[in-house]
Amino acid sequence: IAGITQAPTSQILAAGRRMTLRCTQDMRHNAMYWYRQDLGLGLRLIHYSNTAGTTGKGEVPDGYSVSRANTDDFPLTLASAVPSQTSVYFCASSEVFGSYNEQFFGPGTRLTVL
Amino acid sequence: AQTVTQSQPEMSVQEAETVTLSCTYDTSESDYYLFWYKQPPSRQMILVIRQEAYKQQNATENRFSVNFQKAAKSFSLKISDSQLGDAAMYFCAYRSRTSGTYKYIFGTGTRLKVLA
Repeated sequence: IAGITQAPTSQILAAGRRMTLRCTQDMRHNAMYWYRQDLGLGLRLIHYSNTAGTTGKGEVPDGYSVSRANTDDFPLTLASAVPSQTSVYFCASSEVFGSYNEQFFGPGTRLTVL
Repeated sequence: AQTVTQSQPEMSVQEAETVTLSCTYDTSESDYYLFWYKQPPSRQMILVIRQEAYKQQNATENRFSVNFQKAAKSFSLKISDSQLGDAAMYFCAYRSRTSGTYKYIFGTGTRLKVLA
């Protein structure tokens, strides 16, 4: 059982380029989330999806978009990357949206925008 | 707006000793969830323990326990018999239960070092 996988593990990207971070879970969880982790700021929610076909904005959604075409996949796209988007990105899932359930996290993607 | 504060950027503990990590939060809600997550050097976050605000009894998971003081809005994590594998970043998190909203707020983390 893989849980949550993310790809790539790390990436260096030129400013202005488009980039999609991939996230796949095999637990059939309804809810999925994208966070960014920055030193001194903890984790901040970018976007979430409570079920396939629906998405919502988190705390820091600007410059990012997501889609949830099916239960398993939840890609995060940076349409035109900027240096302030340099961060470690974590995808997470939970069985039910917005509940007491544990969130399961992926291993993260380290993104550097130059 | 809700906030979560971890005032200790770094803590150290001797192996086999006990350490307490602090977490305070600010909210006007009466019902919510609180969590402690561990992030080892591998980066993957792992749930350590969780607490429902309406439950007065402190949650316990083996060597991990919490001291939940609702009136003081405090949610500290106690690790007993510390082991080298406990070395990690620890994040406190708040989850709103208000219907129609989604708030999952993390603190800035406390790095725990375990000394052999």
